[in-house]
Amino acid sequence: ETGVTQSPTHLIKTRGQQVTLRCSSQSGHNTVSWYQQALGQGPQFIFQYYREEENGRGNFPPRFSGLQFPNYSSELNVNALELDDSALYLCASSFNNEQFFGPGTRLTVL
Amino acid sequence: GNSVTQMEGPVTLSEEAFLTINCTYTATGYPSLFWYVQYPGEGLQLLLKATKADDKGSNKGFEATYRKETTSFHLEKGSVQVSDSAVYFCALSAPSGGSYIPTFGRGTSLIVHP
Repeated sequence: ETGVTQSPTHLIKTRGQQVTLRCSSQSGHNTVSWYQQALGQGPQFIFQYYREEENGRGNFPPRFSGLQFPNYSSELNVNALELDDSALYLCASSFNNEQFFGPGTRLTVL
Repeated sequence: GNSVTQMEGPVTLSEEAFLTINCTYTATGYPSLFWYVQYPGEGLQLLLKATKADDKGSNKGFEATYRKETTSFHLEKGSVQVSDSAVYFCALSAPSGGSYIPTFGRGTSLIVHP
């Protein structure tokens, strides 16, 4: 069984740019959640998708948006990047309220 | 809103020492409680969970009991190993408008010396 995978592993952008991060869910999982983890902090919930629809959102501005595809893979898009967006972005697919995390994408905004 | 509070780290122990990492929570309704572990450079791995009051989650020698009366879910291990060195996150998942919204603590770093 393939676990949750994320791409790219690392990414460097400059302020004002846009970025797209990708996540492939674990087989059979129809729910995916995205988190932002700043250095030394716990993961902060961004949003969750269930069967291609947003199904819960944390305290993040609208420039953080997402998509879930029919195969349950997902994208996180961030527009107008700010320096404080530098963080590890984690994706988790879930089944029966248990989450399985990917290794994350390290985003650096200069 | 929901919140999770963990003891601040780092927690530094010698091999075979007893470990306790405290976690308390605030939530509406009846949340599920989790402990995750994060090794350097990796994503989070579920360590154990409990879904209702008085449940005990256990895995790899780690245990935590869901205490509703004290809103706590403290992580314990009787004898730690160097390989247990990692960051440990306490988390809850509570219903909100038809979905389950997860909330994580800030994490507690554990360093185990030989």
